[in-house]
Amino acid sequence: NAGVMQNPRHLVRRRGQEARLRCSPMKGHSHVYWYRQLPEEGLKFMVYLQKENIIDESGMPKERFSAEFPKEGPSILRIQQVVRGDSAAYFCASDDRAGGYNEQFFGPGTRLTVL
Amino acid sequence: KNEVEQSPQNLTAQEGEFITINCSYSVGISALHWLQQHPGGGIVSLFMLSSGKKKHGRLIATINIQEKHSSLHITASHPRDSAVYICAVNTGNQFYFGTGTSLTVIP
Repeated sequence: NAGVMQNPRHLVRRRGQEARLRCSPMKGHSHVYWYRQLPEEGLKFMVYLQKENIIDESGMPKERFSAEFPKEGPSILRIQQVVRGDSAAYFCASDDRAGGYNEQFFGPGTRLTVL
Repeated sequence: KNEVEQSPQNLTAQEGEFITINCSYSVGISALHWLQQHPGGGIVSLFMLSSGKKKHGRLIATINIQEKHSSLHITASHPRDSAVYICAVNTGNQFYFGTGTSLTVIP
């Protein structure tokens, strides 16, 4: 049973480009969470999704960031027109029950560098 | 003020020592998580607690809901325990994280 998969593991973008980060949850998990870890800072919640639904996006920046978890395929975190301040590690986690009442399993993260 | 405060921020211990990391929070929670982040960056969930105490091997986690406090204990510490330990609380749909405790265990 594969764990949470994230790709790419490392992503380099120039200012103004788009970044697309993918997360495949553990088999059987229908809840996905995205977190951001800025350099020298702690993890911050971004968004919580179920299949085809955004449950809580209160941690998402209001502009340029969007997330989806389609019926088929991985969850996608999209950052448009990236800026240097978007450079961070982005982690995805999944569980099989709502609201984090169950143990979350984390992916290895995607390290985004904006030049 | 952060919703989750951890102490200490940094901790150095000799191999074999008993280690305690503390976490206090200021919000109502449905569950508290202890996470371990290794130098390579990967994150592992160690415990999820809503009351009482849990034990996995040399790791013990306790929570006092009334006092809004949790502790993570490591018995007979080992250099491979060196990592950042993060406390996180779930208030429903929202998660808040402590800034982590960086533990170094010296042989």
